[in-house]
This record gives sequence, structure tokens and C-alpha cells, in this order.
Amino acid sequence: AQSVSQHNHHVILSEAASLELGCNYSYGGTVNLFWYVQYPGQHLQLLLKYFSGDPLVKGIKGFEAEFIKSKFSFNLRKPSVQWSDTAEYFCAVANAGGTSYGKLTFGQGTILTVHP
Amino acid sequence: GAVVSQHPSRVICKSGTSVKIECRSLDFQATTMFWYRQFPKQSLMLMATSNEGSKATYEQGVEKDKFLINHASLTLSTLTVTSAHPEDSSFYICSASWGDGYTFGSGTRLTVV
Repeated sequence: AQSVSQHNHHVILSEAASLELGCNYSYGGTVNLFWYVQYPGQHLQLLLKYFSGDPLVKGIKGFEAEFIKSKFSFNLRKPSVQWSDTAEYFCAVANAGGTSYGKLTFGQGTILTVHP
Repeated sequence: GAVVSQHPSRVICKSGTSVKIECRSLDFQATTMFWYRQFPKQSLMLMATSNEGSKATYEQGVEKDKFLINHASLTLSTLTVTSAHPEDSSFYICSASWGDGYTFGSGTRLTVV
């Protein structure tokens, strides 16, 4: 069974600080990778995704992530965070083939708090 | 586009009663929908996958007789928690596959008293 691990449960930063949230997964097959954000009281929103091609993926709101296949990692980064980035962030992996195609497995989530 | 509407957002019910949660795709046809459960400070756990017109596929450990899923049309999937107990209190989220990704409902906070 596949699993997803996010390294930090809660990250606290000041505005303009750089952000990197770790995500590692375990799965032997081909995967599609996602980062979602959940603002307080709102539904999950897609930040970015990786299916194939350039392993450096750019998403919305200045976020990017790099897929490193050898490390089974898909870390999320942002050079300069804003107070409005305060939210919970989820890394997720979906099987790209086989009988379990499309099933998303989520990491535990990382709460990001940005102080103004 | 690709909006999923989930209702109700919050529900409180008495132990032993049943609760139905609806998930509607508003501007697209959702052939496949997913139901997740999220415990406090934990990740979303997939409960089941529902395909329109067929029986849902439940994940290991999920009681299919307790969590009834119906996906009778391309725009509506429902999750019914039968004979709810306090341990069923949780946050339930539906999702639909759309394009090459997924879109999520806003979730339902179920509290069983």
C-alpha cells in the first residue's frame, strides 16, 4: 500500500521568510503528485500537480514543487510567504495506473502559520 | 468550473439515528466520486470510491453496511451514516475526479451525541 509522509505538523514563519514543506511517498509504481491547500473554513484547493515532464512544477500563488524520483520526494516551496498563506497544506499521491487508478492517498497535513 | 457542492456543512444527530450527506457536481458530470473521512489533526482517509450506476468500492476496514454510498446519477453521490454512534463523529469530505485532477466538497462536520 502506498503512503505519504509530511515532515512537519506545524510550521511557523514570519512574512517574507522562505518556505519548504517536505513530502515523501512510498509506492513502487507510477504516481501522480499533488499539493492541496485548505484555508480555514474552506474546501481543499489544488496548488499544483505533477504528472510527467519537467520535475519542477509551478503552481498558483507563487508556489512550486520539485519531484525527485530517486528520493520519492515532492517538496513544496515558496521564496517569500505572506500572512495570507496561513493554511493547512496536504501532499497527496494518486496511482497513475492499475486497479487502484485515481485513488488519492494524503499526507498528514502541515499547518502553516505566518506572522505579519 | 468543476465545483462540488456538499451538504450539509454541519450536522448534529442523536446516537442511533441515520444521517445523509449529499455531494453534487454543479457544472460537470462526475462519473467517479470519492468519500474521505478526516479525524482531528490527521490526514484524509479514503473511505470508498463510488462510480455512477454501480456499487461503491470500500477501503479495507470501512463497514459498507454502516456507511451506505449511493451514486445514482452523474451529478449526485450520497453517503448515509446508519445507526450513528459518537465514534462516527468526524469530518467527511467528498471529491470528484475531473479532468486530470480532483475537486473537493467543503466537507461535513458530523457530531453524534
